[in-house]
Order: sequence, then C-alpha cells, then structure tokens
Amino acid sequence: DIQMTQSPSTLSASVGDRVTITCRASQNIRSWLAWYQQKPGTAPKLLIYAASTLESGVPSRFSGSASGTEFILTISSLQPDDFATYYCQQYESYPATFGGGTKVEIK
Amino acid sequence: QVQLQESGPGLVKPSETLSLTCTVSGDSTSSNNYYWGWIRQPPGKGLEWIGIIYSFGRTYYNPSLESRVTISGDTSKNRVSLRLNSVTGADTAVYYCARGRTYNSGWHEFDAWGQGTLVTVSS
Repeated sequence: DIQMTQSPSTLSASVGDRVTITCRASQNIRSWLAWYQQKPGTAPKLLIYAASTLESGVPSRFSGSASGTEFILTISSLQPDDFATYYCQQYESYPATFGGGTKVEIK
Repeated sequence: QVQLQESGPGLVKPSETLSLTCTVSGDSTSSNNYYWGWIRQPPGKGLEWIGIIYSFGRTYYNPSLESRVTISGDTSKNRVSLRLNSVTGADTAVYYCARGRTYNSGWHEFDAWGQGTLVTVSS
C-alpha cells in the first residue's frame, strides 16, 4: 500500500492567517491526489483533485500544489468556516489511502 | 444533484455480519462516469478505504479487509451494498458510501458522500 504522511497533525491559526498542510507519498503517485475537508459530525467534502484542480464551488483561497511526492494544501487567508480537519487521499493505485488528517484549530 | 443515503443496523454483535445499503438518488449507479465506494472512520480517527465497485460490476477491496468484505450493486434499485463478515470491536466506525469519478480510463477522487452511519459492534 502507498503510505500518505500528513503534517502537522494539528495546527493552531488565526482568522486571516496563511495556512499550509503537507502530505507526502511513500512512492510516486503522479498527480493523483485529492484534498478533503471534514467538519465534526459530517462527511468529508472534496476541495482539490488532481493535486491542484479546485473543485467547483470551492473558494479560491484554497489551492493545491505538488513537487515530486510532496503535496501541499494552502489556505491563503483562513476564514472562520475553515476550522476543520483536512485529509489527503491518493488514488494512484489500489487500495486508495488517506493521510492521517490535519486538524486546524482556532489560535 | 446526487444524494447518497446509507442505511442498516446501528448495532451488530461480535462475529456476526455487518450489512449496509447505500441508496443513490439524482444519478444512476449504472453510469459509466462514476464508481461507488465505501469508506469508514472509527470514532475520533482517520478515514479507511474499504473498497469500490464499478458500474460493470468489477470490485476492488482493501487487502486488509478483503477476506471479510463484499460490495455489490443493484442497478435496478440504484443501490450499492456492503457486507462485512466476522466483525469485532475494531470494526466500530462511521461507514460512508461515496461516488467516485472515472475519466481518462481511470478511477479518481470521491466527489459526493453520504452522511454516514455509525455501526457499533458490541454484544
């Protein structure tokens, strides 16, 4: 299985901050990576797919980038609605695997 | 707009079989543009991919669960089902069904999720 290592596991930030979350794949996954946002008691929501393509309806403050096996989710200016847990997922090969999650908390 | 709704028992006894159904509305499970999957999340923990089924019936399972899991589809009722045998407390989780996109001859991201259903394994 491809291992996805996400960091940090928890992040404390303030409204307006620029936030970055990193996900590293244990092997080459090309650009087959998605980012999801999950709020307590709700299902994950797709934010970014193919490493850097913004899902329709998702605010443009979210962006994704990739360099080799390192993938980054950036929130350019954190908004109150963005406090949540974020997961990466690779879909290069079966089984798909998720990162361990990053909880973005209010500082 | 597609909607997915999981249903099934919320409590299952150890060693018995967990059975869940995902009913899809607003889309067809026979569409070649999508596949359908099951993902679970133990309380307070991360996401685990269980397996998927394509519209033509091909399935792929997580090797960690493959000996115990079956995913099937009923296109006439627009439903996808999950069966997990010989459950233990480690199978206690919120179970989600989700729709995944297929394009460029490949399987891709999950773009729609059900609300999830909590299944507790306990005697």
